[in-house]
Amino acid sequence: AQTVTQSQPEMSVQEAETVTLSCTYDTSESDYYLFWYKQPPSRQMILVIRQEAYKQQNATENRFSVNFQKAAKSFSLKISDSQLGDAAMYFCAYRSAEKIIFGKGTRLHILP
Amino acid sequence: GAGVSQSPSNKVTEKGKDVELRCDPISGHTALYWYRQRLGQGLEFLIYFQGNSAPDKSGLPSDRFSAERTGESVSTLTIQRTQQEDSAVYLCASSPPQGAIYNSPLHFGNGTRLTVT
Repeated sequence: AQTVTQSQPEMSVQEAETVTLSCTYDTSESDYYLFWYKQPPSRQMILVIRQEAYKQQNATENRFSVNFQKAAKSFSLKISDSQLGDAAMYFCAYRSAEKIIFGKGTRLHILP
Repeated sequence: GAGVSQSPSNKVTEKGKDVELRCDPISGHTALYWYRQRLGQGLEFLIYFQGNSAPDKSGLPSDRFSAERTGESVSTLTIQRTQQEDSAVYLCASSPPQGAIYNSPLHFGNGTRLTVT
C-alpha cells in the first residue's frame, strides 16, 4: 500500500531565510503525481506546487520549488525568502489513478 | 468561478444527535472526496465518489457514518448518534475524474467544524 511520510511535525524559519520541508513516499506504481498543499489558520487547503513523476525536472512556482528524487522516493519542498504569510500547515500528497494519500503535515512557523 | 462550498461552516451538536454536512463541488467535477481532520492532525480519508457511486468507502470509521451524492453534484455526509470523538473539521474536495486526469489537484472547501458537546 502507498504511504506518505512527513517526518517533521514542526519547523521554524527566520523571515527572509530558506526552509526545506521533507516528504517521502512508498509506492510500487510508476505513474503518479505529487503535490504540496498549504493550510493556513483559515483551514482552506491551497495548492502550492505539483510534480509529475515522469518528469525529471523539478517543479518551481515563484519562491516555492521541489527537490524530487524518484529513485529515493523523496519530494521535499523548498521555500525561499520566507514570508510571514507562509506560516501554515504543509501537506505532501500522492495521487495515482486509484487513490490520493496525504502525509500528516508539517507546521511551519515564521519568525519575524 | 465558484469553488467548493461546504455548509454549515460550524456546527455544534449534543452527543447522540444526528448531523448532516453538505458539500457543493465545482460544476463538472465528477470526483468528490470527504476527509476528516482532527485538531492539529492530518487529513483522514473517509469516502470517495465517482459520479453518484462510491467505489471507495474504506475510510468511514463506523456504521454511524454514511454519505450520499445525487446528480453528480451535491453530497451529504451524515453522522448518526454523534460522539465527542467525532469532533473535527470535515473537509470536502472535488476534482475532474480520477484515472483520466489525475494530475489535477483536489479543490477543497473551507470545511465544516463539528463540535460535539
